[in-house]
Amino acid sequence: GAGVSQSPRYKVAKRGQDVALRCDPISGHVSLFWYQQALGQGPEFLTYFQNEAQLDKSGLPSDRFFAERPEGSVSTLKIQRTQQEDSAVYLCASSSTGYDEKLFFGSGTQLSVL
Amino acid sequence: GDSVTQMEGPVTLSEEAFLTINCTYTATGYPSLFWYVQYPGEGLQLLLKATKADDKGSNKGFEATYRKETTSFHLEKGSVQVSDSAVYFCALSDGGSARQLTFGSGTQLTVLP
Repeated sequence: GAGVSQSPRYKVAKRGQDVALRCDPISGHVSLFWYQQALGQGPEFLTYFQNEAQLDKSGLPSDRFFAERPEGSVSTLKIQRTQQEDSAVYLCASSSTGYDEKLFFGSGTQLSVL
Repeated sequence: GDSVTQMEGPVTLSEEAFLTINCTYTATGYPSLFWYVQYPGEGLQLLLKATKADDKGSNKGFEATYRKETTSFHLEKGSVQVSDSAVYFCALSDGGSARQLTFGSGTQLTVLP
């Protein structure tokens, strides 16, 4: 595609619900990243994939957060038993190689947990 | 750990004014430094970068110089336009790759006609 696509654009969940956020990276991009952006803050790193391999998940805040990229393209970030503190914008980014410093970001999914 | 501190906003300027957004960093290694910009309703875009001390990154009239002695990477533009209104993020990548960017909290810039 022309850019990184994320869906849904907005998600409202009741506390305790599970949610799944989707990211379609730019076609052929090897690297995929997930970031969390709280209101008024900069993005914070969650996890990184190179193809289908999750090479770094050090930023995932708890074991309720899980990310996958089974075929090395589309990725899903899943949050189980959502809490109010999970409310944030979740950003996906991709780059053409593992060492390319230029990331292409999607517009994000805004998650609100009530 | 690594951290980035940038000038708090919001910043409001008149068209053609001079812009400076301050950014300082703390890192254990020799980081690459970046400025990303987020226009309303869009994803973050790389504006410019510098990978070593004394490098100057530039793009669209914006520039920033990697100052190792002051651990700074201030963003400047000589004459801002209304279309520059956006949120600007300073970021670093330790070790030279983009695997894990550390961002500042962002500075909202509004340029008035």
